[in-house]
Amino acid sequence: AQSVTQLDSQVPVFEEAPVELRCNYSSSVSVYLFWYVQYPNQGLQLLLKYLSGSTLVKGINGFEAEFNKSQTSFHLRKPSVHISDTAEYFCAVSGPTGGFKTIFGAGTRLFVKA
Amino acid sequence: GAGVSQTPSNKVTEKGKYVELRCDPISGHTALYWYRQSLGQGPEFLIYFQGTGAADDSGLPNDRFFAVRPEGSVSTLKIQRTERGDSAVYLCASSLGSGRASTDTQYFGPGTRLTVL
Repeated sequence: AQSVTQLDSQVPVFEEAPVELRCNYSSSVSVYLFWYVQYPNQGLQLLLKYLSGSTLVKGINGFEAEFNKSQTSFHLRKPSVHISDTAEYFCAVSGPTGGFKTIFGAGTRLFVKA
Repeated sequence: GAGVSQTPSNKVTEKGKYVELRCDPISGHTALYWYRQSLGQGPEFLIYFQGTGAADDSGLPNDRFFAVRPEGSVSTLKIQRTERGDSAVYLCASSLGSGRASTDTQYFGPGTRLTVL
């Protein structure tokens, strides 16, 4: 069965500092990986996804993530965060053996301080 | 264009009552998903529709939960004999419904917060 672990429940960071939100997945076969963001009082929206090809994926709002198959990780990074990046970030996995299911991690709350 | 909408935004009910939660997907999206999100957790998959049929209902926790999508657009999640443990935010998402649905981008609604007293 597929599973997702987000290693940090909360990440506080100062504005303009870099940030990395960690995500590890468990699957015995190939997977598709996603990062979704949930801003306060809004629905989840896709930041980026990895389906195949280049392991470095660029998304919206300056975020990027790197797929590392050997470490089964898909960490999200941004070189310089803004106050407006304060939100809940969810890593998710789907794939052939999971049918149509998308499995979400528990989320990481990014709190950007001035 | 209009996004995914869900009604009501909040629902308070008493233990043992029946509730219906509605989801209006993005026009033209053939795939529709229901999730449940408990406090401090990520969304938990409940059911997936492709068109009118439930292609995967393996996430429904028990037979008190049922969902329909009779015309391939609007969907209703129905919960019978509600329990306090059913309290959560129920999320709906839709996607274009390509042949490989597991790669689709899902567009989420704002959710319905269900509170069972």
